[in-house]
Amino acid sequence: EDKVVQSPLSLVVHEGDTVTLNCSYEVTNFRSLLWYKQEKKAPTFLFMLTSSGIEKKSGRLSSILDKKELFSILNITATQTGDSAVYLCAVGVGGNTGKLIFGQGTTLQVKP
Amino acid sequence: DTAVSQTPKYLVTQMGNDKSIKCEQNLGHDTMYWYKQDSKKFLKIMFSYNNKELIINETVPNRFSPKSPDKAHLNLHINSLELGDSAVYFCASSQNRDPTEAFFGQGTRLTVV
Repeated sequence: EDKVVQSPLSLVVHEGDTVTLNCSYEVTNFRSLLWYKQEKKAPTFLFMLTSSGIEKKSGRLSSILDKKELFSILNITATQTGDSAVYLCAVGVGGNTGKLIFGQGTTLQVKP
Repeated sequence: DTAVSQTPKYLVTQMGNDKSIKCEQNLGHDTMYWYKQDSKKFLKIMFSYNNKELIINETVPNRFSPKSPDKAHLNLHINSLELGDSAVYFCASSQNRDPTEAFFGQGTRLTVV
């Protein structure tokens, strides 16, 4: 069965800290790995990764994929209270259906 | 302009009732999805439609019936609601069955009492 596992499940840090969120996966037909940020409502897209070793960066957030070891990390540097959210990792699987398998999410709380 | 909109945002209903949730997207996408997020924040796909054709049906009870009148709309009808159906239901859309940057609606929080 396809599976996506995120760790840690929750994390509390102080503003200015750097955090690393982990996502490992076991799927039969990998197409892509996506990171989403979910605050109160809809998940919003952060990154999509398809190739190993190529870092994607957006401001203080960056992410990288390792297709050999089947994991991805999401880094957030100089955290701010506005980074508090649930971070979701999802793997797009093959079969041309658009299906995403989600992990259980990491809840990040950034304290002032 | 809201890209993916769902109505209603909140729904409280009694066990045994039948209810519908509507979803519309104005992105011109051809693929739409329903996801269920349980109390532990776990998002799981339920259905996917591409150009009004069902392409994913993930072992969801028959009480759940999606309907896609056109490629911009995907509604979810639920019969004989049960307590375990309480969750947040998200509609999403993407282009060409590609999950890249799937856009999500704001969610419908369903509470069955």
